[in-house]
Amino acid sequence: GAGVSQSPSNKVTEKGKDVELRCDPISGHTALYWYRQSLGQGLEFLIYFQGNSAPDKSGLPSDRFSAERTGGSVSTLTIQRTQQEDSAVYLCASSFLGQSTQYFGPGTRLTVL
Amino acid sequence: TQLLEQSPQFLSIQEGENLTVYCNSSSVFSSLQWYRQEPGEGPVLLVTVVTGGEVKKLKRLTFQFGDARKDSSLHITAAQPGDTGLYLCAAPPHGSSNTGKLIFGQGTTLQVKP
Repeated sequence: GAGVSQSPSNKVTEKGKDVELRCDPISGHTALYWYRQSLGQGLEFLIYFQGNSAPDKSGLPSDRFSAERTGGSVSTLTIQRTQQEDSAVYLCASSFLGQSTQYFGPGTRLTVL
Repeated sequence: TQLLEQSPQFLSIQEGENLTVYCNSSSVFSSLQWYRQEPGEGPVLLVTVVTGGEVKKLKRLTFQFGDARKDSSLHITAAQPGDTGLYLCAAPPHGSSNTGKLIFGQGTTLQVKP
């Protein structure tokens, strides 16, 4: 596909379980971003990748959150021991390095019961 | 902490009315972007403004960047139901202009009734 894809689109989990969210960026985009969005609110920056390295992890809320990117392409955001406050839409975006236009995926809606 | 504050947070109007959404900050930004997001989708970039005082038009949408580059506005003329959505302003925080990292306002939910 031509756009950013994310999977799953919806994830319901029980408190205390681990979850993995996947992002497939646009081919050739070297920069990749993860954001979190609460219902009807703005986006909260989580982490940014340049290639496979993450120069800026400042937005990760706690050490239960981690992310990796392999092959300069696919990225996985992992949340360990999920809590109810982790419930949100997790959005991924990608761009060419140095360009201001970010292209967003449709997001993964995470619900922690 | 650099913040972008949007107002109003929610706006419900009739088709054909005009409206303005504001994005304000106490910080100066090198550029500012406006996005529109529909339910179940990611935000889509509408415009990027860079120069203080700059005005850009996109059909019935007019975007303005404040002279001091601390604020911006989005004006919609003769709103249509298709304009319904969440409007977000965003800007790169200081020291991050080369990374593409963005901070976002909390958004303005616009509902245009037919």
